[in-house]
Amino acid sequence: GQNIDQPTEMTATEGAIVQINCTYQTSGFNGLFWYQQHAGEAPTFLSYNVLDGLEEKGRFSSFLSRSKGYSYLLLKELQMKDSASYLCAVYGAGSYQLTFGKGTKLSVIP
Amino acid sequence: DTAVSQTPKYLVTQMGNDKSIKCEQNLGHDTMYWYKQDSKKFLKIMFSYNNKELIINETVPNRFSPKSPDKAHLNLHINSLELGDSAVYFCASSQGDLSYEQYFGPGTRLTVT
Repeated sequence: GQNIDQPTEMTATEGAIVQINCTYQTSGFNGLFWYQQHAGEAPTFLSYNVLDGLEEKGRFSSFLSRSKGYSYLLLKELQMKDSASYLCAVYGAGSYQLTFGKGTKLSVIP
Repeated sequence: DTAVSQTPKYLVTQMGNDKSIKCEQNLGHDTMYWYKQDSKKFLKIMFSYNNKELIINETVPNRFSPKSPDKAHLNLHINSLELGDSAVYFCASSQGDLSYEQYFGPGTRLTVT
């Protein structure tokens, strides 16, 4: 089976740093995605981690530890436009095994 | 130019009806998908399709069927609509399999009354 856990909601201040955690228990592991979804819009791709470690892309970084079944998304220099849901998704075993977590709704306040 | 487009954006219909949602991508991608996002914002993959293979999530009722007239289109047909089918349906495409970044369409909000 597949189980992905993320905090439901988080609040952070503009200009700050926030870390959104994701833990997973899946049958097989091929990689982990992070997507951003603004309210009423489609998800958009942020990152894909296959190997352990940190990958940085501008203000956003994503970390993966396969042995711990753990990932986090780090957002730096928060902006108001970063208010959105952040979806963790694991590509597990099986051809259709792309399982999304329920998402973390991030609210950035002034 | 819109990369992945869906029509209609909103669809309101009654229980028991049959409806279709259309999806087109102009990215030249090989694989297209359909997702369902329910009221709790839980995004679930329904189908994965490329020009060689249709892969169905076994939990999807057989009232749902994808139809692909060509590589750039993947339509979703739903028979005998039920209240529980109310959700936002997203089409997506990727260059390859599930290890590739996916590009999502704007979504179709289906309401079954």
